[in-house]
Amino acid sequence: QKEVEQNSGPLSVPEGAIASLNCTYSDRGSQSFFWYRQYSGKSPELIMFIYSNGDKEDGRFTAQLNKASQYVSLLIRDSQPSDSATYLCAVRKIKAAGNKLTFGGGTRVLVKP
Amino acid sequence: DTEVTQTPKHLVMGMTNKKSLKCEQHMGHRAMYWYKQKAKKPPELMFVYSYEKLSINESVPSRFSPECPNSSLLNLHLHALQPEDSALYLCASSPEGVGSPLHFGNGTRLTVT
Repeated sequence: QKEVEQNSGPLSVPEGAIASLNCTYSDRGSQSFFWYRQYSGKSPELIMFIYSNGDKEDGRFTAQLNKASQYVSLLIRDSQPSDSATYLCAVRKIKAAGNKLTFGGGTRVLVKP
Repeated sequence: DTEVTQTPKHLVMGMTNKKSLKCEQHMGHRAMYWYKQKAKKPPELMFVYSYEKLSINESVPSRFSPECPNSSLLNLHLHALQPEDSALYLCASSPEGVGSPLHFGNGTRLTVT
């Protein structure tokens, strides 16, 4: 079982609709959770992070965390063509030797005008 | 513009060459990272430095040699690489603390011929 799993997509969303992305993780010791956006050929760009159960909103983005079920999700409201990218879920836990951030495989999102 | 600067942006090297990738940040972050990313794959952790000491080595082959000369600089020395080492190499930094997000540089696109 992979440590962090995402549906690879593509997730096709009409412009103006809500895109819903899910991520599950296997290690209950995971402590903080991040969503990154990556455009083709570019480096990952931080969108949001969350470490408490519940919802966290920032503009058009909402992250949701459920530690009991070991999943974290990202909602993108009013999707725009510029949101078309790969979204990476990342999970952080403390190892004995230091922090480690592990990425899921990413979900490709296509927003169609 | 990213606050983590990587040089060079592109590098082509032969299998007998020795080269170095450089990374610099001036955000006062005490943790720095090297990730490797192949096309259509998520970033894979290679090394983590915490307070200028190597804290995580993800069983990376010895042809990759990291160095952290001071708290702002991170190098990756390359020697006798293989064509399969061609990838995007990403440097990142973060404050200490499990809740802290990573900030990525723009990456170095490496091609080994």
